[in-house]
Amino acid sequence: QLQLHESGPGLVKPSETLSLTCSISGGSVNSGNYYWSWIRQPPGGGLEWIGFVSYSGSTKYNPSLSRRVSISGDTSKNRYSLNLTSVTAADTAVYYCARHWRGGGYSHGMDVWGQGTTVTVFS
Amino acid sequence: QSALTQPASVSGSPGQSITISCTGASSDIGGYNYVSWYQQRPGKAPKLIIYDVTNRPSGVSDRFSGSKSGNTASLTVSGLQAEDEADYYCSSYTGDNTEVFGGGTKLTVL
Repeated sequence: QLQLHESGPGLVKPSETLSLTCSISGGSVNSGNYYWSWIRQPPGGGLEWIGFVSYSGSTKYNPSLSRRVSISGDTSKNRYSLNLTSVTAADTAVYYCARHWRGGGYSHGMDVWGQGTTVTVFS
Repeated sequence: QSALTQPASVSGSPGQSITISCTGASSDIGGYNYVSWYQQRPGKAPKLIIYDVTNRPSGVSDRFSGSKSGNTASLTVSGLQAEDEADYYCSSYTGDNTEVFGGGTKLTVL
């Protein structure tokens, strides 16, 4: 059974870079038709899609974050990563990784999620 | 990329049915049949309950159903149960190959 697990620092200072990793078990980052997304949820707020990396390494980002975000896959370690630069307090959130079913080039939903990791931007 | 619009809250009594709307634009909901719905209980990760507007993943109760008309998608929960109390989010594929979520709706079972 596929499982995802987020890891990374829980505290990041303003203006620094937030870096998180999503480790995949029970499946492969190279799985066809599946992309790998990051989603975040600020305290008391709603979900925001950050972006994805595909099984071939292509990426797509939320336009509101595209200047600061990068997502990459690591096939040798079966994981993928998120980097978000120049963070502010507005980036404080629970960050989730999720498998994104993208058969035929379209989105069919995110069917497996990690448990989420809380990141606080705090000086 | 604007978030999809959902009501902040809905409520119903056990056994009743409720519907949550999700309004977008022709560039997302209106242009494609790729709307998903998620259930999120407090402190938990979201769970996919509807994909491609009307389809339920294996294991999801048939009390959950989805539909779409124009730029608005809807989630109906029939035969309300106490366990249905949660936050519900819609999302849609968009024309620029991204994903957009709704603001979320809190369902209260009275």
